Amino acid sequence: GQQVMQIPQYQHVQEGEDFTTYCNSSTTLSNIQWYKQRPGGHPVFLIQLVKSGEVKKQKRLTFQFGEAKKNSSLHITATQTTDVGTYFCAALLLTGGGNKLTFGTGTQLKVEL
Amino acid sequence: EPEVTQTPSHQVTQMGQEVILRCVPISNHLYFYWYRQILGQKVEFLVSFYNNEISEKSEIFDDQFSVERPDGSNFTLKIRSTKLEDSAMYFCASSVRGAVYEQYFGPGTRLTVT
Repeated sequence: GQQVMQIPQYQHVQEGEDFTTYCNSSTTLSNIQWYKQRPGGHPVFLIQLVKSGEVKKQKRLTFQFGEAKKNSSLHITATQTTDVGTYFCAALLLTGGGNKLTFGTGTQLKVEL
Repeated sequence: EPEVTQTPSHQVTQMGQEVILRCVPISNHLYFYWYRQILGQKVEFLVSFYNNEISEKSEIFDDQFSVERPDGSNFTLKIRSTKLEDSAMYFCASSVRGAVYEQYFGPGTRLTVT
């Protein structure tokens, strides 16, 4: 099936450092959502991007959708220990149906003091 | 804040047994979903459900799986004859409308097949 890949798979940072995860698809995406999953928890919606080249910010988090709508990124400025978790992008593929979210492979973030 | 609830939180069953996982979506939501997540791996779509019928399903959702909305509040996932590889966390989610909208996930049911 169609895949949505994320890199890196893991990232360890010192508190205060920045963090970026990248989400890539070989096919054009209708939209992209980002979710955060804390260890032992369930995915929690962060944001949705719909337009080509769209950039949205939530406090220290910046989300981008690529011009070709095939990739996206999440950047966290000055990480804190509360940012620990796995970040998933999730996409509606243009070639897919309208009610199937395809999750990326996830990036696990660990923040050390 | 309204939330999706799931029961049980952990289910242990023997291979070949039937299990039913239960979910109560958020009351004004119209679309419901089941996902599974094998330990340490990504979240995998199983099925979406709208207006009392399956909207979409993945290759994982074979004849062993079925979903039902038996009343106005519950949404269930049944696995008829469990296999070892069905061991995973199963998440229910709901959204106001389709998957283009934010999905709210429940806390999950950990299914262990022995």
